[in-house]
Amino acid sequence: ELKVEQNPLFLSMQEGKNYTIYCNYSTTSDRLYWYRQDPGKSLESLFVLLSNGAVKQEGRLMASLDTKARLSTLHITAAVHDLSATYFCAVEGNGGSQGNLIFGKGTKLSVKP
Amino acid sequence: EPEVTQTPSHQVTQMGQEVILRCVPISNHLYFYWYRQILGQKVEFLVSFYNNEISEKSEIFDDQFSVERPDGSNFTLKIRSTKLEDSAMYFCASTGGYPDTGELFFGEGSRLTVL
Repeated sequence: ELKVEQNPLFLSMQEGKNYTIYCNYSTTSDRLYWYRQDPGKSLESLFVLLSNGAVKQEGRLMASLDTKARLSTLHITAAVHDLSATYFCAVEGNGGSQGNLIFGKGTKLSVKP
Repeated sequence: EPEVTQTPSHQVTQMGQEVILRCVPISNHLYFYWYRQILGQKVEFLVSFYNNEISEKSEIFDDQFSVERPDGSNFTLKIRSTKLEDSAMYFCASTGGYPDTGELFFGEGSRLTVL
């Protein structure tokens, strides 16, 4: 059974600081997703990482994928308050069935002035 | 920008009642999904739908649940006899347009409260 583990689950940061969220998964998958969710809102797609070594950046967020280590990271550079949200990683389950995503528990990020 | 739309945004129902949640996926997408998220918990896969049939379903998607694409645009999730534990946010998603970026687009969600 595919398991997706994120850490930390809670992260309180000061503005301007850097930090990394980790996402480990237990079986082979070549497609990894990062989503952002604001309270009571939907899931906003941040990144889709499709191959080993993939790195994508958008603003202050950068995601990478190491399929051999079964690890993805979401790096936050010089955090600002607007980044406060819950971040989920997700991996395609069941042998890579398209869109059948197994989500991690999420990392609740709070950026304080 | 194309988006997945869901109705209703919030539904309150009595236990044992039938509920239908509706979704309009992005128009050129081929794969459709329902997910749910119990308050404060992670997002869970329910079912995927392709070529007018279920392609995969999770253990959560038992006989009380069904999906349908009654016309060319709508995609519905029906819960026949709701239970208290069905209270959750239900998200519809779609993917598989051209070009296929691999991105899964989620709707705004339908919050279901079962009393």
